[in-house]
Order: sequence, then C-alpha cells, then structure tokens
Amino acid sequence: GAVVSQHPSWVICKSGTSVKIECRSLDFQATTMFWYRQFPKQSLMLMATSNEGSKATYEQGVEKDKFLINHASLTLSTLTVTSAHPEDSSFYICSARDTRDSTYEQYFGPGTRLTVT
Amino acid sequence: AQKVTQAQTEISVVEKEDVTLDCVYETRDTTYYLFWYKQPPSGELVFLIRRNSFDEQNEISGRYSWNFQKSTSSFNFTITASQVVDSAVYFCALSHTGANSKLTFGKGITLSVRP
Repeated sequence: GAVVSQHPSWVICKSGTSVKIECRSLDFQATTMFWYRQFPKQSLMLMATSNEGSKATYEQGVEKDKFLINHASLTLSTLTVTSAHPEDSSFYICSARDTRDSTYEQYFGPGTRLTVT
Repeated sequence: AQKVTQAQTEISVVEKEDVTLDCVYETRDTTYYLFWYKQPPSGELVFLIRRNSFDEQNEISGRYSWNFQKSTSSFNFTITASQVVDSAVYFCALSHTGANSKLTFGKGITLSVRP
C-alpha cells in the first residue's frame, strides 16, 4: 500500500517552455502533498505544501508564479515549471500524506528529473 | 526552528565492515518523529525507519540498527557487515507532529561500500 507515482520520470525541455509534473497517490487519498527539489549532491528542499481544494503554501524563496501547483483532487497534484531555465534543472520529488494516517507520515514518489536546455 | 545535522558527508568502507551514520537534531517540540531514508543512485527515496520521540528503545532490523538518545539529541544508524548494495546516500529527517508537520532533512551522508 501507500504508493505514490510521478509522471514523467524524466523530461528534457527547451529554455522558455513550461513543463508539468504529475504526482498521484495510487491507493490512498491524500489531502496534503508536498513538492521537493533536489540539486545534485544536495539534500531535499521543500518547495511547497499542497492541500486539496486550496492554494499551495510556498516556502520562503520559492517563486509561486514560476512553480504553479494545483491539487484538484485527493489523488493528484501537479507542479508546472513555467518559463523554465537551465537553473531549474533538478530532481523534483513529491510526497503524499494519507488522509487517514494519524502519524502524518509522508510517502514519496520516485522523482522526476528535469533538464532544461 | 528544526534542524538536522549529519556531520559526516562521505564515508567509504570495505564490504563486511560495520559503519555508523550519525544524526543530531534540534527541535523545541516535545513530541516529534525521526526518520532515516536511503537514496540509491536511482534517486527514489526508500523509507528505513520512523521513531517517535517517546520511544527511546533501540531498534534492530536485520543488519540495520538505530540508537536513539534523547539526552544527546542523536539518532544514529548502524549497518552491520556492510554490503555493496548498501552504497547510497542516507538522509536523517525530523518532523513535528500534527496536520501541518513538515519534514526537515539533513544534508545526507554518501556511503560507498567497496568490494
């Protein structure tokens, strides 16, 4: 149980274009999902917390207009990187919290590797 | 504010050696969770353990063991008889409890196990 998928697993896009990454909880409902970014040889940095049916909460320093998050259902959150630039190249990881889980544990997706050329 | 410190950045051992990965944390909360995750080269995070702050019992799972010491705010991870497949980056993380809890990760320790 508690499987989280991400699509695509890797994507290459040209500078200036937008790319959308999907995060799905496959066998549970997730009121809350999280988006992380990980640069090479660095730790995971939380970008934003996404709550179903409401606006995402962004961490300090993360541009909300550049990283658009939509959490329209209890099983799907999307992250759109708008007008991507090479510095946005990174490994993006989502996690989801099972609504019924009182421990508030996060289940992680396999990640999406974004390369902007 | 929460903080997780993994002072070791890279560790290299020979297969079958024991290795301990250190984790020190800071939090003002009295109730919190501590985690260890493994990140192999594929990138996917693998959950290893979650420990509640009220449970200070050490835990052993096969070749893995964890030593939680609240008095020193440490949650160290030992791999016994290491294997090449243990080569990965290991992250210690901390979260407070509650609906708005967030995970704070340490910087990670790169473990290389040589044959």
